[in-house]
Formats: sequence, structure tokens, C-alpha cells
Amino acid sequence: AQSVTQLGSHVSVSEGALVLLRCNYSSSVPPYLFWYVQYPNQGLQLLLKYTSAATLVKGINGFEAEFKKSETSFHLTKPSAHMSDAAEYFCAVSPQDTGGFKTIFGAGTRLFVKA
Amino acid sequence: NAGVTQTPKFRVLKTGQSMTLLCAQDMNHEYMYWYRQDPGMGLRLIHYSVGEGTTAKGEVPDGYNVSRLKKQNFLLGLESAAPSQTSVYFCASTLGGNTDTQYFGPGTRLTVL
Repeated sequence: AQSVTQLGSHVSVSEGALVLLRCNYSSSVPPYLFWYVQYPNQGLQLLLKYTSAATLVKGINGFEAEFKKSETSFHLTKPSAHMSDAAEYFCAVSPQDTGGFKTIFGAGTRLFVKA
Repeated sequence: NAGVTQTPKFRVLKTGQSMTLLCAQDMNHEYMYWYRQDPGMGLRLIHYSVGEGTTAKGEVPDGYNVSRLKKQNFLLGLESAAPSQTSVYFCASTLGGNTDTQYFGPGTRLTVL
């Protein structure tokens, strides 16, 4: 069965510092992978998506993620944190091999940005 | 385009009461989903629909029913609310299947006393 694990329920960084949010997945074949962001009292919105076209995926707001098959990871990074990046981030996996319609979400990582 | 909208935004129920949550999308998407979000658990799929007139069970369907009578609407019903159903409910839609980007509504915060 597919699963996704986000390491760290809370991450705190200083403004201008590197942001690294970790995501590992379990899947028998490389799945589609997503990062979504949720701002307070809002629904989730897509940051970026991996669809096997390129291992380094660039998203909105300066975020990017690298698909590493050998490590079954899809970590999210941003070189310089901004106060507006404070939000909850969800990694999600959609299996390609089942023909189903279910996306599995991680538990989420809340990012705090200190001035 | 309004995208995905949900009504109501907030609701408080007493145990045993019933209610219906409405989700509407104006993007002509085929697929629609209902999730619940609980602290530390991410989003869990309750039910989904792959087209008008179809519904299917997700990961946590017990205590909920759904209907998709019109392509643009997806209704989530609670027949007899329980405190365990206190949660934030999100509706989402995709053009294609689960490999497409999901578009989420703003959520409904439900409290069952």
C-alpha cells in the first residue's frame, strides 16, 4: 500500500534562511507526487507537482522539490524564507498503477518563520 | 470563476442531528472528492465521485453519505452526527483522475456537541 511520511510536524526557520521540508513515500512504482500549501482558514492549493518529466520540479513562490527514486524522497526547499511562507505544507502521493482515484496525504508540516 | 465553493462555512450540531454540506464547482471537472482534516492526520478521503450520478467510498466513509445528481455539485450528508465527526471538511475537484491537480474549497468547520 502506498503511504507518505512527512518528517517533523513543525519546522521553524528565520527569515532569509533555507527552508527544507521532508517527505518520503512508499510505492511499488514511482507515483505522481505533490506539495500543497494551506494558509490559515483556507483550503489547500498546489505548490508543485512531479509527473516523471523532470526530477527537479519548480513551483510557485520560489519553492522547488527534487524527486529521488533511490531515497524515495520528494523534499521541498526554498533558498530564502519569507514571512509570508508561514503555513502548513502537505506532501501527497497519487499512485499510477492502480487506476484508482485516491490521493494519499501526509500529516502535514507547519512552517514557522521568525523575523 | 469562483472555483470550488462550500456551504456552510461553520456549523454546530448536537449529537444525533443531521445536516448536508454542499460543494459546487464551476470548472466543469469530472471528479469530486470529500475529505476531512483532523490535527496531525492530514486529509483523509471520505467519498469521491468520478462523474455525474456516480459515487464511491474512500478511506473513512462510515457515518457519511454522498450524492452527485449534477456534475457541478457534490453533497455530503451526515444522517446522525456524532462527536467523532467534529472536523474540518474540504471538498476538492479534478479535471481528470487523481494524477491531476486538486482544487480545494475553503472548508467547512463542523462541531458536534
